[in-house]
Amino acid sequence: GQQVMQIPQYQHVQEGEDFTTYCNSSTTLSNIQWYKQRPGGHPVFLIQLVKSGEVKKQKRLTFQFGEAKKNSSLHITATQTTDVGTYFCAGSNAGGTSYGKLTFGQGTILTVHP
Amino acid sequence: DTAVSQTPKYLVTQMGNDKSIKCEQNLGHDTMYWYKQDSKKFLKIMFSYNNKELIINETVPNRFSPKSPDKAHLNLHINSLELGDSAVYFCASSQVLPSWPPKSPYEQYFGPGTRLTVT
Repeated sequence: GQQVMQIPQYQHVQEGEDFTTYCNSSTTLSNIQWYKQRPGGHPVFLIQLVKSGEVKKQKRLTFQFGEAKKNSSLHITATQTTDVGTYFCAGSNAGGTSYGKLTFGQGTILTVHP
Repeated sequence: DTAVSQTPKYLVTQMGNDKSIKCEQNLGHDTMYWYKQDSKKFLKIMFSYNNKELIINETVPNRFSPKSPDKAHLNLHINSLELGDSAVYFCASSQVLPSWPPKSPYEQYFGPGTRLTVT
C-alpha cells in the first residue's frame, strides 16, 4: 500500500532560525496536504498542493510539490514560538474509490526555543 | 460554531468494557473519517463513510464498529477494550464529491479528539 515518509521526526530550533520538513511518497500522488497540530490540539489544514512543481506561500511558510508528485516540503522562515507543534504531510490518490483517503506521514515535531 | 464535534473528550475505562465515541459535523460534508493517533503522534485512518456508506475499512480489529446514522454523524463503538486501544481518536470530515455550493475538496476538518485510556 501507499506509504508516506516524513523527516525529520524531531526538530529543535532557536527562535529566528529556519525550519524544513520533507515528505516522500512510495507512489505518485494526486495531491498532497499539510496539517499542523498544536500540542494537545487536533490537526488543522494548512494547504493543498495539486500541480507538479507547485510552490505556494503563506506568510513565512513555503510549500513545494515535487515535479514527479512524489515528494513535498514545508519551509518556515524565521521561526517563532507560535510555530511549535507537529507538522504532517498527507498524500492522497484522489478520485476513483479512494474517497479522499489521506495517508499521513509520521509528522515532524517542531520545538522553538525563545 | 463548532465544525466537527466529538464526545466525550476524555474516556477512562477498564479492559473488557464496551464504549462509544460520537462525532457530528455541521459543515455539510459528504464524507467522515475515524483516525487513531498513537503515543508517537502517528495518525492512521481507520474508517471512512461517504453519505452513510462505508468506503474505507482499514485493517482494524472487528471489535471496532463504526455507524453512520446520517451523513452528519459518525459514531465509533469499541467492544472488549484492550490496553493497546489507548490512544487519541479523531473524527474528521471532508467534501469529496462535487457539490453546490462548491466546497474545498478533500480538505479535512478534524474534531478535537477523544483521549481513550484503558486500564
